[in-house]
Order: sequence, then structure tokens, then C-alpha cells
Amino acid sequence: ETGVTQTPRHLVMGMTNKKSLKCEQHLGHNAMYWYKQSAKKPLELMFVYSLEERVENNSVPSRFSPECPNSSHLFLHLHTLQPEDSALYLCASSRSQGSGETQYFGPGTRLLVL
Amino acid sequence: EDQVTQSPEALRLQEGESSSLNCSYTVSGLRGLFWYRQDPGKGPEFLFTLYSAGEEKEKERLKATLTKKESFLHITAPKPEDSATYLCAVQAARGGSNYKLTFGKGTLLTVNP
Repeated sequence: ETGVTQTPRHLVMGMTNKKSLKCEQHLGHNAMYWYKQSAKKPLELMFVYSLEERVENNSVPSRFSPECPNSSHLFLHLHTLQPEDSALYLCASSRSQGSGETQYFGPGTRLLVL
Repeated sequence: EDQVTQSPEALRLQEGESSSLNCSYTVSGLRGLFWYRQDPGKGPEFLFTLYSAGEEKEKERLKATLTKKESFLHITAPKPEDSATYLCAVQAARGGSNYKLTFGKGTLLTVNP
């Protein structure tokens, strides 16, 4: 595997379910990101991790819980989601969190909340 | 607050018909302007990073340029496989959170054979 991978690619869940999204980067990067992409809206930054420490929590509801066990893996734990949380969730990584660094994206997880 | 406006929202071209996409931005202290291509249901694919006004970068049929207020993505003799949504994002000097990307809504490009 190369680049940034995400699993699952598609997920359907009820509002009472608990699920997790997984991201893995094979680029040797030190910073990882979660974004949400909803229809007709720009990408929204959710969380940022640098060297496994969370450096950003962009006013995201507590029903989204990130975890970064090491610099190659990032999880997004989901519980009691709402239908408006249905979106494409994208993971990205960059060499560092510094300015000018290019962020490389994974293929995304398409989430549908019923 | 940083702002990125992309135009047009959608563009339909015939194969071989060259055109340009626009990305206008307002940012305090630009650190980088990024172009991505996104196919339906997939993640954004990195195309270019531009750092300063006057800079240009090329890749196959694509050429990106940058001024102090906007960036253009020029597409020369496009092919149907160039059909995608093209996203522009800026990164500003922001102290401890200068990694933040502000994205535009994108331009949906359709190239007809």
C-alpha cells in the first residue's frame, strides 16, 4: 500500500450505533488530519494531530472522537450520530504541521447515518 | 478571515477547447496556495503548490499561475479524462495554526468528447 488509505470506504449506521473509521499513511509523515466534506460545501477541518498529539479540535461535537496511537494511524470513533453527519470523511497527512506543507488525502469514507 | 472563491462553479468544454479556472483569495500572509483534483466519491488528489506571486507550475495539460489576489488553473487541449472537480485551497501565516487550509467550493469541469 502506498499513500494514504482509509477503511471502510462506505459505512451505513443507525443513530444509536458505534463505529470507527481508520486511516493509515505510508508516507512517513508526522501530521495527520480529519476533514468532513458535505455536498455543496467546502472541506471542513475537524481534527489535527502532530507527532501523535492533538493540536486542533475545530469545534467538533463530542459524538466524534479522534485517536492517534502512532504517527501512521488515525481513527475517528463515531457514536450517536445524527443524519446531518452523513458526509464524506477524508483523512490527510503532511510531512509536518508547518506552513507550506502539502497535505495528501486518502480516498475517504462515505458515511450515511439513518 | 481567509476567503477563497472559485469560478465558475461549473464549466463544460469540448475536447481540445482550452480554458482557465479562477481562484480568488483573501488571506493575511499567504504561505501556500494548493490545487487539487477530485473525482466523484474519491479524495482530493494533489496537483500543485504555489508559494509566491509570479510563480508558475505545469503538469501535462495543466498550468497553475499565482498573483497576489488570485490563481488560475489553465487547461490546454483538455481530454475527457480531465473531467473532475478542481479544488483550490490557501494556507496563511497564523502563528501556531498555520497548517490550516481554507478551501473553495470547487469548479466542476466536464470535458465532452
